[in-house]
Amino acid sequence: EVQLVESGGDLVQPGGSLRLSCAASGFTFTNFWMAWVRQAPGKGLEWVASIHPDGRARYYVDAVKGRLTISRDNAKNSLYLQMNSLRAEDTAVYYCARDPGYASDGFEFDYWGQGTLVAVTS
Amino acid sequence: DIQMTQSPSSVSASVGDRVTITCRASQSISGWLAWYQHKPGKAPKLLIYDVSSLYSGVPSRFSGSGSGTDFTLTISSLQPEDFATYYCQQADSVPPAFGQGTNVEIK
Repeated sequence: EVQLVESGGDLVQPGGSLRLSCAASGFTFTNFWMAWVRQAPGKGLEWVASIHPDGRARYYVDAVKGRLTISRDNAKNSLYLQMNSLRAEDTAVYYCARDPGYASDGFEFDYWGQGTLVAVTS
Repeated sequence: DIQMTQSPSSVSASVGDRVTITCRASQSISGWLAWYQHKPGKAPKLLIYDVSSLYSGVPSRFSGSGSGTDFTLTISSLQPEDFATYYCQQADSVPPAFGQGTNVEIK
């Protein structure tokens, strides 16, 4: 059974840092692109970042470029999101998601975790 | 960047009703469109990929159609477990964009 379990969400002050983790199991982690998708309170889903199976290609939404960094450790079947210079608008539930690889040039997501809450407030 | 616009933003329906949700892209996205179901506090679920392909385990009452810029998700006979928010998402190019969501409520 595919499982994605996020952790690391917390209450943090503006300008602060946080590292989210996602533990993956039930599939061959090294075969799949992985992503982070977020949902701000009362808002819809927003893609944040995606990473190639070997970690060398990474893509980000413009709003987080230079502040959030996606990475992975294939030996540990884990995905990460390093969050620096956090802003109030980064407040959201962050979901880890797997890309099944159907789309040739874009991203789709077939398995999602339950999410972890990041709240940026003074 | 491609923008996605869903309508309606909310729909009230009864069990057994046929429900249709539409999604419009700001430019043609060929065959790369997905639909998701999301319930509060739960992980989103992939329902449809590549416009009309039913994801594994998804009931056949869900179907997708469309081409170019206009797409539709249809629930042929609404069931109690279908009350949720539904999102379309373009997978044609980066950045992937979601529609704003359609909340399917109990009438």
